[in-house]
Order: sequence, then C-alpha cells, then structure tokens
Amino acid sequence: DTEVTQTPKHLVMGMTNKKSLKCEQHMGHRAMYWYKQKAKKPPELMFVYSYEKLSINESVPSRFSPECPNSSLLNLHLHALQPEDSALYLCASSQVTAQPQHFGDGTRLSIL
Amino acid sequence: QKEVEQDPGPLSVPEGAIVSLNCTYSNSAFQYFMWYRQYSRKGPELLMYTYSSGNKEDGRFTAQVDKSSKYISLFIRDSQPSDSATYLCAMISTEGGSEKLVFGKGTKLTVNP
Repeated sequence: DTEVTQTPKHLVMGMTNKKSLKCEQHMGHRAMYWYKQKAKKPPELMFVYSYEKLSINESVPSRFSPECPNSSLLNLHLHALQPEDSALYLCASSQVTAQPQHFGDGTRLSIL
Repeated sequence: QKEVEQDPGPLSVPEGAIVSLNCTYSNSAFQYFMWYRQYSRKGPELLMYTYSSGNKEDGRFTAQVDKSSKYISLFIRDSQPSDSATYLCAMISTEGGSEKLVFGKGTKLTVNP
C-alpha cells in the first residue's frame, strides 16, 4: 500500500460532466504534484503545489483545475473533458520541492 | 539529444539472473537520481534514490551513479518473477531556480520462472 492515497481508483465520465479527483498524504510533505500518464509512457507533470501554493502549471488546459485545501490534501477538478484526456492521473508528494517523490496508485479516467 | 535516455526493452530474463538497467543523461545540473518500479495498473513506486556518485545497496537492489560519465544503473540480483514490472529512471534538477523532474521512457522487465 502506498502512503499517498487517491480516490476514486476508476472514473468514467461524459464530456459534459464535472468531477473531482482526490489525493491525500499524511507524511508531512509540503510539496504535492499532479501527473498524467498515458499507456506505455512516463508520467507527465501537470501541476506543482509548494506549501499549499501553486508553483508550477505546465500549460495545462483550463478544463483541469487544481486545488490544495490544506497541506495533506490535493484535488483536481475536471470539467468538459475531451476523449484524449483519458489516462491515469497520478498524485505525488515530496518533503519539499526538488526531492524524490512518492506516488499514489492513480485514478484511471475514461472520457466517453 | 534527449535529456534522459533509457532503453525501453522489453527485457526478458530467467529467474535468478542478474538484471542491469541503465540510463544516460546529458544535463550536468541533475542532482537526485531515482529508480521507480511500476507494476501494471499501479503508480510508480520509489525504489531507490541517491544524490552522489557511487553505489547504494538495498537488499537485492544496487543503484549506481557515475556523474563523470552521466550514467546511472540499477542492478537486481537473484531476480524473481515478482520483479516483473516497468522500471523508470528519473532525475531532478533545480536549474534556473525551478524544479525539474525528468523521467526516462521506462524499461519493461519480465522475469520468467
């Protein structure tokens, strides 16, 4: 079991739906990340939060909206997604930025 | 030239073999060197990380970094079928004041009983 917990494990949604992905860690880490991973590819960075503030947005479309309510939680709000957004969405955390990251098992997202 | 190069394999070995997984890199600013193991339908699991050149051992796993050659390796001794997974090297730099983590493409390893 990983120390970074993501829910839900699977999500199927239509292009007009609004949903949220959730991530939680209790390691006291102050940096949290969202990644997108397509099949047989390495993870691609989407967002970085450092001390609950957004520090990096890798030019991600606005249909993805991150939120960091506190130091243990990270959300990713989804709206009007496209079929090409179907992927494994991974959350990670590290003590602070520029340190080795620990990943959750991801949410497998399918857009119909 | 890509910043991090990793042979995608696939690599198939018999149980008990010694496995060598390798990555080369071009950016001298990389500071942390990591190996992740990813099972199918799971997230990457941090196996080992190191900051400096040299060897680091953890059970059957040894991570080796050669900064002068810009080359890192992961050795798995007495490989087991449960080691079958995709192995990703990853490196961190803070060049220009911002964090950058770069993954290799991953090597798919199968250990046959």
